[in-house]
Amino acid sequence: EVQLLESGGALVQPGGSLRLSCAASGFSFNKYAMAWVRQPAGKGLEWVSAISGGAARTDYADSVKGRCTISRDNSKGMLFLEMNTLGVDDTAVYYCVKGDTFVTSYHFAYWGLGTLVTVSS
Amino acid sequence: DIVMTQTPLSSPVTLGQPASISCTSSQSLEHSDGNIYLSWLHQRPGQPPRLLIYQISNRFSGVPDRFSGSGTGTDFSLKISRVEAEDVGVYYCMQATQFPFTFGQGTKLEIK
Repeated sequence: EVQLLESGGALVQPGGSLRLSCAASGFSFNKYAMAWVRQPAGKGLEWVSAISGGAARTDYADSVKGRCTISRDNSKGMLFLEMNTLGVDDTAVYYCVKGDTFVTSYHFAYWGLGTLVTVSS
Repeated sequence: DIVMTQTPLSSPVTLGQPASISCTSSQSLEHSDGNIYLSWLHQRPGQPPRLLIYQISNRFSGVPDRFSGSGTGTDFSLKISRVEAEDVGVYYCMQATQFPFTFGQGTKLEIK
């Protein structure tokens, strides 16, 4: 059974940094691309970033480009999102999502429960 | 970026009656490999989204056959043949043809 467990969400001041983690299990982690999708409270979904199975390719939404870095540790089945210079607009639940191919994702079939990031002074 | 526009944004329906949601993309979703990567997701309050349909019309594992997807090019739709109580929540279309992946605004399905 595919399981994705996010952690690292917290209350952080504007301008601060945070590292989100996602522990994956139930599948061959190194064979699949992964992604982060976020959702502000009461609002819609926004794709944030994606990484290929071997980490050779990374992609970012313009809203986080230059401030966030996606990475993975295939030996540990872990996905990460390093977030810097956080602003109030980054406040959201962040979901870890499993892709369906090695290179990219064509649909998001498996989602974690999410971790809440709150940016506030 | 490809903009995904859903209509309606809210849909009150009667149990047992059909429901339909439309999704229009600002440009063709045909990928260079010839496929169209348009999917539909359903989100209940307090839960993560759940994949219903992928590549326009393919039901994901475990999705009831009352859900169906159709469309081509830039116009797509999700149909529920007979709405059940568990179908309430917000429905999103999503394109994964081109980065950045984008979602529709969401359509809230509620029971009359």
